[in-house]
Amino acid sequence: AQSVTQPDIHITVSEGASLELRCNYSYGATPYLFWYVQSPGQGLQLLLKYFSGDTLVQGIKGFEAEFKRSQSSFNLRKPSVHWSDAAEYFCAVGLRTGTASKLTFGTGTRLQVTL
Amino acid sequence: GAGVSQSPSNKVTEKGKDVELRCDPISGHTALYWYRQSLGQGLEFLIYFQGNSAPDKSGLPSDRFSAERTGGSVSTLTIQRTQQEDSAVYLCASSLAWGTAPSTQYFGPGTRLLVL
Repeated sequence: AQSVTQPDIHITVSEGASLELRCNYSYGATPYLFWYVQSPGQGLQLLLKYFSGDTLVQGIKGFEAEFKRSQSSFNLRKPSVHWSDAAEYFCAVGLRTGTASKLTFGTGTRLQVTL
Repeated sequence: GAGVSQSPSNKVTEKGKDVELRCDPISGHTALYWYRQSLGQGLEFLIYFQGNSAPDKSGLPSDRFSAERTGGSVSTLTIQRTQQEDSAVYLCASSLAWGTAPSTQYFGPGTRLLVL
């Protein structure tokens, strides 16, 4: 069965600093990978996704992620964090079921941004 | 509507009561999903609909949980004889059907359920 590990439960960075959130997955085939963000009291918003092709994926809000098959990783990065980026971030792998996909999520990383 | 909507936004109930949670997907989205977000279990898949049928119910935790979808649109998740461990945020998502790759799932704001 597929699984996703986010080893960092909580990360604190200063505004303007760079950010990297780690994600490792376990999946037998080529994975479909996603990063979602959840602000307090809100649903999940898709930041970016990887299906195939270029292993460096650009997303919204200045985020990017790099798929590394050899390391089974899909880390999320941002060169300069803004205070509004404070939220919880979830990495997920999609498994095809019928004509849709069900997502298996990591446990999330809560990002705190200090001014 | 512009996005996925869910109602109610919050629900407090007593142990043993039945509850119904509603999800209204994005217009035109044929796939609809229910997930549960709880402190102990994180985010977990419950059930998925394609049209009005539910090909994958593998995540439903017990037979107290059921869901239906009518008219290929609105879905209702029903929890019978609620237990305290059912307390969680129930998230609904919708998407287009799989084409050559997974379609993006768009999530609603969730229903926060508290069972006393």
